[in-house]
Amino acid sequence: EPEVTQTPSHQVTQMGQEVILRCVPISNHLYFYWYRQILGQKVEFLVSFYNNEISEKSEIFDDQFSVERPDGSNFTLKIRSTKLEDSAMYFCASSEERGDSYNEQFFGPGTRLTVL
Amino acid sequence: KNQVEQSPQSLIILEGKNCTLQCNYTVSPFSNLRWYKQDTGRGPVSLTIMTFSENTKSNGRYTATLDADTKQSSLHITASQLSDSASYICVVSLFRDYKLSFGAGTTVTVRA
Repeated sequence: EPEVTQTPSHQVTQMGQEVILRCVPISNHLYFYWYRQILGQKVEFLVSFYNNEISEKSEIFDDQFSVERPDGSNFTLKIRSTKLEDSAMYFCASSEERGDSYNEQFFGPGTRLTVL
Repeated sequence: KNQVEQSPQSLIILEGKNCTLQCNYTVSPFSNLRWYKQDTGRGPVSLTIMTFSENTKSNGRYTATLDADTKQSSLHITASQLSDSASYICVVSLFRDYKLSFGAGTTVTVRA
């Protein structure tokens, strides 16, 4: 069964450093998402991506964040200058259709980002 | 503000017993409601998806109900198993929207 994969599973970085989180969505999916979950809190939407551009983003997704689909298979989230409060589990998701459709979003296993 | 509220926050049940989790939402305009299961340290996995016209949806021992008039949903777990220990998250989608709005989840612990 196809699945969303994410690398690395755990990333430790120093405050102020740049990190890139990588995701490989399911191959025939067209919509891609990043979510984050701070320890003990609920999952929060960051950004959605469709047709090689951002389709929607939350207030969390500020200028420090960027997304890219560099090669047609990978989908990346970059945090330019990490802060302590960026420590969280980051989930990538993909779907065949838009979120309001009767269509499942498949989530990856997540990358745990720890900022020291 | 669009909200998804779940109760209880956590519960403990004995293996073989049933339980029901609740979800209230104020999300509007509503498109669909999903229940996800999230094992510790893993990504959420979809259990059910319902639109406003659907009242109930089953997936094995999981049965979800939806009352779009009162904006309430429930997830019933029948004959619980140890593997049901997880967080169960109510997730709502808005019409013409890309993102999903998550509840805080109910942590279910099944004990032998």
